[in-house]
Amino acid sequence: RKEVEQDPGPFNVPEGATVAFNCTYSNSASQSFFWYRQDCRKEPKLLMSVYSSGNEDGRFTAQLNRASQYISLLIRDSKLSDSATYLCVVFSGGYNKLIFGAGTRLAVHP
Amino acid sequence: NAGVTQTPKFRILKIGQSMTLQCAQDMNHNYMYWYRQDPGMGLKLIYYSVGAGITDKGEVPNGYNVSRSTTEDFPLRLELAAPSQTSVYFCASSYSDGGPLYGELFFGEGSRLTVL
Repeated sequence: RKEVEQDPGPFNVPEGATVAFNCTYSNSASQSFFWYRQDCRKEPKLLMSVYSSGNEDGRFTAQLNRASQYISLLIRDSKLSDSATYLCVVFSGGYNKLIFGAGTRLAVHP
Repeated sequence: NAGVTQTPKFRILKIGQSMTLQCAQDMNHNYMYWYRQDPGMGLKLIYYSVGAGITDKGEVPNGYNVSRSTTEDFPLRLELAAPSQTSVYFCASSYSDGGPLYGELFFGEGSRLTVL
């Protein structure tokens, strides 16, 4: 089993749609969690950290479920500019244990 | 601020050649990393450094070497290039007090390497 697993997609959604991505992780001792966004042929950039209580940033909501060992990202009112790959990142202690998922690709169409 | 700067952006190597990917950051970050990203795969850690003079292996260190003589620079050396090293290489940096990572990793724009 991979340490961090994501549905690779692609998720093809129309503008204005709500879309959700899940990410599961295998190490129950994982300490912190993040969503990064990566545009085609570009470097990853931090989208948001994921807090135990859940957190929201505009149209984006991140949730953490430690019992089931998954994190989620919800995007409301999708924009064309949201088209990208979303990487789930899990920190499990030690910088050689910052694990990146393979990413979920989102394509928003008019 | 330039952030994290990587050079070169593109390079084609022949099998057996060697080269160095340069990485520099101007944010006074103590932690620096080298990752590789193969198509459809997550980033894999090659080497990382927690400060000048200190480096350690990541998940996929074979065929690579690093040094960290200054806080700013973290070059990655490829010795005897092989086709399996064809990939996109990302350098990143962050600040940490040694505890859990709560801060952001800042990435360079990447270096696309092809080994033929």
